[in-house]
Amino acid sequence: DAGVTQSPTHLIKTRGQQVTLRCSPKSGHDTVSWYQQALGQGPQFIFQYYEEEERQRGNFPDRFSGHQFPNYSSELNVNALLLGDSALYLCASSWRQSRPLAITFGSGTRLTVV
Amino acid sequence: AQSVTQLGSHVSVSEGALVLLRCNYSSSVPPYLFWYVQYPNQGLQLLLKYTSAATLVKGINGFEAEFKKSETSFHLTKPSAHMSDAAEYFCAVSADRGSTLGRLYFGRGTQLTVWP
Repeated sequence: DAGVTQSPTHLIKTRGQQVTLRCSPKSGHDTVSWYQQALGQGPQFIFQYYEEEERQRGNFPDRFSGHQFPNYSSELNVNALLLGDSALYLCASSWRQSRPLAITFGSGTRLTVV
Repeated sequence: AQSVTQLGSHVSVSEGALVLLRCNYSSSVPPYLFWYVQYPNQGLQLLLKYTSAATLVKGINGFEAEFKKSETSFHLTKPSAHMSDAAEYFCAVSADRGSTLGRLYFGRGTQLTVWP
């Protein structure tokens, strides 16, 4: 049973470009959350998707947007990249109805903006 | 709202010594509490979690943590450190209900160094 799968694992982009990161949740999970982890920091919540809608959003600008597809997979899009967007982007999935909530993380996508 | 404070950004111990990593939380509802470990250039691995059952939680690799509501703490311990324990450790809190369900609030992390 595959866990959370993220792609690509690494990428390098130029300032001002746009990037799309992808996440496939663990089998049976219906909720996907995205986190940004800057170097030397703890992960920061970007947003959460459930039933193809953004349900929660952290303190991130509108340059960060996302999408969830009917198969529960998700994309994170970042427009007009800044050097400060360089970070490890983590995807986490869960099944909304489970109690206690079980959250599984992917291995992340390392984004470098030059 | 939820938040986490990890006391000490760096902790150094000798191999075989006690490991104690401190975490204090704030939560407006009954919390779920987590400890994650991150090795260099890797994602997050769950060590253990508190979900309102037993207050003493045992995790992987010999780690355990005790939920103390009166102290709003969830400190991580291991009786005897091993070289392979050297990593970054993150404490996180989540609400078990409400509008922030499933959102994790992380501390800034504690880098554990183990000396031979």
